[in-house]
Amino acid sequence: DVKVTQSSRYLVKRTGEKVFLECVQDMDHENMFWYRQDPGLGLRLIYFSYDVKMKEKGDIPEGYSVSREKKERFSLILESASTNQTSMYLCASGQQPQHFGDGTRLSIL
Amino acid sequence: DAKTTQPTSMDCAEGRAANLPCNHSTISGNEYVYWYRQIHSQGPQYIIHGLKNNETNEMASLIITEDRKSSTLILPHATLRDTAVYYCIVRDSGYSTLTFGKGTMLLVSP
Repeated sequence: DVKVTQSSRYLVKRTGEKVFLECVQDMDHENMFWYRQDPGLGLRLIYFSYDVKMKEKGDIPEGYSVSREKKERFSLILESASTNQTSMYLCASGQQPQHFGDGTRLSIL
Repeated sequence: DAKTTQPTSMDCAEGRAANLPCNHSTISGNEYVYWYRQIHSQGPQYIIHGLKNNETNEMASLIITEDRKSSTLILPHATLRDTAVYYCIVRDSGYSTLTFGKGTMLLVSP
């Protein structure tokens, strides 16, 4: 079975902090994705990557950056966390279908 | 992307078949129909996908109408653990990104 592992299930950070969310997949997938999920808004794509060191903006990239130094790992970075970035963050890998991690519930205080 | 329309919510009795409809009247010839579900506090889980023919796997069956403008996901014997939000997505297999709508909240009751 494909496994997508997100480093934390719950995370609490303060406004202005730099926050790193890590995601690791074990299936040698080229494609990896970061989404956020908010009530009433569904899943929205933040960034994705087709290969190591490659990245593409999704629908809502503002306030975020990503890093893909190794094929199995895709990191989401909140450069200066703000309260409106409090959300559930979901990582996925694969082409079609995509395989998702269990999410990180991030609270910015 | 072709737009999909799903009911907001559905109920099903445990042990009965759950039939979840999806309309995708603007689907194009090279677009597949994908179904995912999301159980509370978990990430979305892939269920099944199809192009033209009906498909079945260990989780569900997918029935696509001949004109491909709608489809139905069938869970043959729903259990309480099937309570989840079910998403129908139409996408060209050449694209890697997915657009999730609001989905259908399926509540399976004893």
